[in-house]
Amino acid sequence: DAKTTQPPSMDCAEGRAANLPCNHSTISGNEYVYWYRQIHSQGPQYIIHGLKNNETNEMASLIITEDRKSSTLILPHATLRDTAVYYCIVRVTGTASKLTFGTGTRLQVTL
Amino acid sequence: NAGVTQTPKFQVLKTGQSMTLQCAQDMNHEYMSWYRQDPGMGLRLIHYSVGAGITDQGEVPNGYNVSRSTTEDFPLRLLSAAPSQTSVYFCASSAPHRGRQETQYFGPGTRLLVL
Repeated sequence: DAKTTQPPSMDCAEGRAANLPCNHSTISGNEYVYWYRQIHSQGPQYIIHGLKNNETNEMASLIITEDRKSSTLILPHATLRDTAVYYCIVRVTGTASKLTFGTGTRLQVTL
Repeated sequence: NAGVTQTPKFQVLKTGQSMTLQCAQDMNHEYMSWYRQDPGMGLRLIHYSVGAGITDQGEVPNGYNVSRSTTEDFPLRLLSAAPSQTSVYFCASSAPHRGRQETQYFGPGTRLLVL
């Protein structure tokens, strides 16, 4: 799996958009970009994934650059409950059983 | 559906003791995995299974055994506990979707302290 690089921490004011970057410059053509988050000490939670097109669901939006070397997870209206560690993971199909987690970005949403 | 369940939630062991961490899922998922998470770090894969009767090692398998006799259950055995195995253990499951991407569902975790 390609290596990912994320900033260790970010702050965001409640109600504002949180934009979390991820660098994956060595990504291969068949690797997807996945985002998970871990709230406090709970088990990680799936957020969104994409290959090369931008994706949106009820939780977030995922913007992948045209060269696919980086991506941004967008939480459009962050709330205090979005305070968590966010993990960007790159992997190929069929490897859902063996994710490789980095240290992620700790997002702190404040009043 | 209960999703992925883990027992116990907390456990204290003495060095050298053995125990089994239980993991069960009711989603009929083929894939199951065990991860450990040490303070301030991301999750690391211990063992995983792509179906009943099939298991394989992950990144940090030493000191742990697994078996997968049913689709629903994937227990993790600590053979002889060591203080270095103090950690939070997460179990996860997912289903392969041909032509689509599969995602993992995680349990709430088991916090293990080895004295």
